[in-house]
Amino acid sequence: EIVLTQSPATLSVSPGERVTLSCRASQSVSSHLAWYQQKPGQAPRLVIYGASTRATGIPARFSGSGSGTEFALTISSLQSEDFAVYYCQHYNNWPPLTFGGGTKVEIK
Amino acid sequence: EVQLVQSGAEVKKPGESLRISCKGSGSGYSFSTSWISWVRQMPGKGLEWMARIAPSDSYTYYSPSFQGHVTISADKSITTAYLQWSSLKASDTAMYYCCAHTSGYLVNWGQGTLVTVSS
Repeated sequence: EIVLTQSPATLSVSPGERVTLSCRASQSVSSHLAWYQQKPGQAPRLVIYGASTRATGIPARFSGSGSGTEFALTISSLQSEDFAVYYCQHYNNWPPLTFGGGTKVEIK
Repeated sequence: EVQLVQSGAEVKKPGESLRISCKGSGSGYSFSTSWISWVRQMPGKGLEWMARIAPSDSYTYYSPSFQGHVTISADKSITTAYLQWSSLKASDTAMYYCCAHTSGYLVNWGQGTLVTVSS
């Protein structure tokens, strides 16, 4: 089973700053990687799929990059509504699907 | 737009059985040609993919971590999927989400069903 490791576990950031979240796979997942945003008390929301394609309704300040085993989610200028937990998930040769442990983006 | 509406919160005792539901609807959404996956989130923890079902033929796949512990099913005549337990444990306490998708990424999510198992 492919293991996804996200880092850091927590990021303390000020509004307006640029942030980059990392997701590393234990073996290649090609570009079959998605990112989700989860706010407290809400269901997760798809942000990125195919490693770099924004989901419907996701602002352009969100971008995804990477392939193989190294991936990143970048938020170019953090807005107040972006403070949340972000999860990566692979879907290479699925099922099964697996998620990373998550990165919490909190207000500094 | 796809809508997934899950059944309400449940409080159960260890050993009891439970079935929770997820009803799909929306224009342009075909319940029979999508997969339904279930995802667990234990209190304060991350997301865990449990299983998926193809409502068209009820073909299922379970994560090894959940195989034998839960059963998923679907009734395409009422566009509803189910997740059930025959004997709940305290460790089943969690939020459970259903998701509708046609690829490996999970586009549409239900609002979640909180299951609490306590004596």
